[in-house]
Amino acid sequence: AQKVTQAQTEISVVEKEDVTLDCVYETRDTTYYLFWYKQPPSGELVFLIRRNSFDEQNEISGRYSWNFQKSTSSFNFTITASQVVDSAVYFCALSETWSNDYKLSFGAGTTVTVRA
Amino acid sequence: ETGVTQSPTHLIKTRGQQVTLRCSSQSGHNTVSWYQQALGQGPQFIFQYYREEENGRGNFPPRFSGLQFPNYSSELNVNALELDDSALYLCASSYWASRNEQYFGPGTRLTVT
Repeated sequence: AQKVTQAQTEISVVEKEDVTLDCVYETRDTTYYLFWYKQPPSGELVFLIRRNSFDEQNEISGRYSWNFQKSTSSFNFTITASQVVDSAVYFCALSETWSNDYKLSFGAGTTVTVRA
Repeated sequence: ETGVTQSPTHLIKTRGQQVTLRCSSQSGHNTVSWYQQALGQGPQFIFQYYREEENGRGNFPPRFSGLQFPNYSSELNVNALELDDSALYLCASSYWASRNEQYFGPGTRLTVT
């Protein structure tokens, strides 16, 4: 069963628009972590943010912000005032602590295209 | 601080052959995880190494095997290559204590013909 669902396959915006990426996860674990990674065309996965299941406080970091809601099992990510350099595939990932390896389970990704 | 490096960058192999991919972890990181990313999909966990032993494995057959060396670098070996093994193979390193905070290398693009 898919643990992480990213329903949006592709999003296209014009520069300076805000972009919100949806992520829904599924777990029975009580202690888990959620992540967002960015994968530019070069292929390397770039770590963006990590939250644990006990911290639902939503924060802003520069142009990035996230909305973590355990009640709906959602972990959405927003890029404010998008730039062309934000064009990439964005992955949401879940790490469950019941498995000793804390492996990352990724969603299928959302391709973001920011047009000038 | 040196980041995660992988070699080679690209590789073309024939079905049935064997391949070895290499990964050097970020300085100080003692845990290495390998992922397979097929085109258009998210990465899938293959296995993780810590203290030169496998510490977890995803849903991959035994022909996928690995090694970790005393300097924490790692190898991924795939025997009897199949066409479906064509993918981007990503290595990630981390500290054991925070092993889900993984930093990824640029990947090796494997094409099986």
